[in-house]
Amino acid sequence: QVQLVQSGAEVKKPGASVKVSCKVSGYTLTEFSRHWVRQAPEKGLEWLGGFDPESRETFYAQKFQGRVTMTEDKSTNTAYMEVISLRAEDTAVYYCATGKPMVRGVILDYWGQGTLVTVSS
Amino acid sequence: DIQMTQSPSSLSASVGDRVTITCQASQDISNYLNWYQQKSGKAPKLLIYDASNLETGVPSRFSGSVSGTDFTFSISSLQPEDIATYYCQQHDNLPITFGQGTRLEIK
Repeated sequence: QVQLVQSGAEVKKPGASVKVSCKVSGYTLTEFSRHWVRQAPEKGLEWLGGFDPESRETFYAQKFQGRVTMTEDKSTNTAYMEVISLRAEDTAVYYCATGKPMVRGVILDYWGQGTLVTVSS
Repeated sequence: DIQMTQSPSSLSASVGDRVTITCQASQDISNYLNWYQQKSGKAPKLLIYDASNLETGVPSRFSGSVSGTDFTFSISSLQPEDIATYYCQQHDNLPITFGQGTRLEIK
């Protein structure tokens, strides 16, 4: 059974960086696509980027290019998402999610529980 | 980026009612449209993918359809546990984009 377990809540000051982890079980990290989506308080869902296992490329939404980095540790089957130069507007719940395999495009079928990142001075 | 316009933003209905939510894409996305349910404080859950395919384990009262660039999500008979916010998401092109969400309440 696929499970994604994320790291705990973080409180950061403006200008700092945060690294959120997503430990995956039930499949090998590099088998399926994985994505990060965030949700500001009382707002909708926003895609930050994702990894495509076929091309082995990571794609970022233009808005987050240069400020968000997605990595992985194959030895622990854990994905990471780091955001630098944090600002108040980055306060949100950050979710990792896997893409359904053997289909075209991005269908997010398994999600982590979410990690609240609060940016406040 | 492809814009997804979802309506209504909120909806109040009675148990047993048929509920319909629509999502319009700013350009042709074929059938590459998914629907998610998000209950309060929880992660989104995939209900429908590629416009009309029911995800495994999702009750059959949920359904989706497409006509051109207009997508429809329906609940045939609203249940109390369906209280949630529903989002559409296009995946024809990157970046994937979501509708603004529809908050569904019980009357």
